[in-house]
Amino acid sequence: DVKVTQSSRYLVKRTGEKVFLECVQDMDHENMFWYRQDPGLGLRLIYFSYDVKMKEKGDIPEGYSVSREKKERFSLILESASTNQTSMYLCASSPVPGLVYEQYFGPGTRLTVT
Amino acid sequence: SQQGEEDPQALSIQEGENATMNCSYKTSINNLQWYRQNSGRGLVHLILIRSNEREKHSGRLRVTLDTSKKSSSLLITASRAADTASYFCATDADGGSQGNLIFGKGTKLSVKP
Repeated sequence: DVKVTQSSRYLVKRTGEKVFLECVQDMDHENMFWYRQDPGLGLRLIYFSYDVKMKEKGDIPEGYSVSREKKERFSLILESASTNQTSMYLCASSPVPGLVYEQYFGPGTRLTVT
Repeated sequence: SQQGEEDPQALSIQEGENATMNCSYKTSINNLQWYRQNSGRGLVHLILIRSNEREKHSGRLRVTLDTSKKSSSLLITASRAADTASYFCATDADGGSQGNLIFGKGTKLSVKP
């Protein structure tokens, strides 16, 4: 059974802290994605990676960075957390683009920045 | 960059009724996908329909695609309380060259027992 796991379901951090969100997939997928989901705004792509050590900006990369040192792991980093980064963060993976490339999602991390 | 837009935003029906959700998009696509999200959880892929297909079935799900109108619909027949969730359409971005999807804002379905 395919699986994407995220390091925490709930996280509470203080303004200015450095925050790491970890995502691991066991499907040997090439592509990995980080989204944030906010009420009324849907899912917005923060960053994605299509290979180890490769990264591409999504629609809202400001205030975030990512790291992909191993194929199965994709980390999202909030360098200095702010209250407007309180959100649900979703990680996903998908195989090399072809005719079929559904995305597999982790359970999400609900981050609260106080 | 918003591509898919679902309609309605919220839908409330009784168990046993059919639920229809619509999705409109703006640019040409290679395929369109539907996902489901239970409250506070990750998304789960339901079905994918390619641009050269008009209709696809999976169990109680029926998806149609009209590329001339740039729209798709998801029909859930004989709905159950367990179908209560948010449903999102997603389309490939940039011709799908990097596997990116653009998600709509979702339809929140409530099925009352």
